[in-house]
Amino acid sequence: GAGVSQSPSNKVTEKGKDVELRCDPISGHTALYWYRQSLGQGLEFLIYFQGNSAPDKSGLPSDRFSAERTGGSVSTLTIQRTQQEDSAVYLCASSFGTSGLHDEQFFGPGTRLTVL
Amino acid sequence: AQSVTQLGSHVSVSEGALVLLRCNYSSSVPPYLFWYVQYPNQGLQLLLKYTSAATLVKGINGFEAEFKKSETSFHLTKPSAHMSDAAEYFCAVTQSGGSYIPTFGRGTSLIVHP
Repeated sequence: GAGVSQSPSNKVTEKGKDVELRCDPISGHTALYWYRQSLGQGLEFLIYFQGNSAPDKSGLPSDRFSAERTGGSVSTLTIQRTQQEDSAVYLCASSFGTSGLHDEQFFGPGTRLTVL
Repeated sequence: AQSVTQLGSHVSVSEGALVLLRCNYSSSVPPYLFWYVQYPNQGLQLLLKYTSAATLVKGINGFEAEFKKSETSFHLTKPSAHMSDAAEYFCAVTQSGGSYIPTFGRGTSLIVHP
C-alpha cells in the first residue's frame, strides 16, 4: 500500500512569502505529526493531530506557523512571512494512534524548504 | 519529562566491523524506546522498538538493541557492518501513560569504510 506522501519535495521561496506544505498520511492512521529537521539538530516536534481531538500545537515555534487537518486525513502546514531560519526539511509522520499503544511512526520523504 | 542523548554525532567503522550506536534516555516512568534509520533524502523508518517485553530487541537488517534500566540505555548494535548501513540513526522515547509525542535524539551518522 501507499506510504506517507508529502508535496512538494522541494520548495524555494523568498523571504516574506507564505508557503504551504502538504502531507497525505497512510489511510486509516488517526495520528499525524509534523516535525522540522535542521542540519545536525535532530527532529523538532511541531504539531500533533489525533483523530477529532484538538491538535497539540505546543511545538510550533511562532504564530507564523499553523497547520490543519481536513477530514481526519490530509494535513497542510502553513508558514507565513517566511524567514531564512525557517529553511529546513519538514517531515510528516502518521501512526495508527491506537489508544494506549505507543505505535511506530511512518514518515514521509519530507519537503526541503529553502528561504532566500 | 523525557529526554534522549545520543553520544557521538558521527561513528565511523570498517565494513565487517561491529556497529555500536549509543542512546541514553531520561524518563520518570517506564519508557517506550525506538530506533529509526534515515537514508539520504528519505524519511525515517523504524528499525526496532522496545515496549516492556523482552529486553533484547531484534530489528530489521540484523540490528538489535538491549534495554538496560540500570544504565538508562538502549544502545543499537550490529555484529558486522555493511556498506548499505551508512545512514543517520535516531533514538526516540515516549512515556507510559504520557503523550504519544516522541522525543528524538539528535541523531548519529554512521559512516562505513570499505
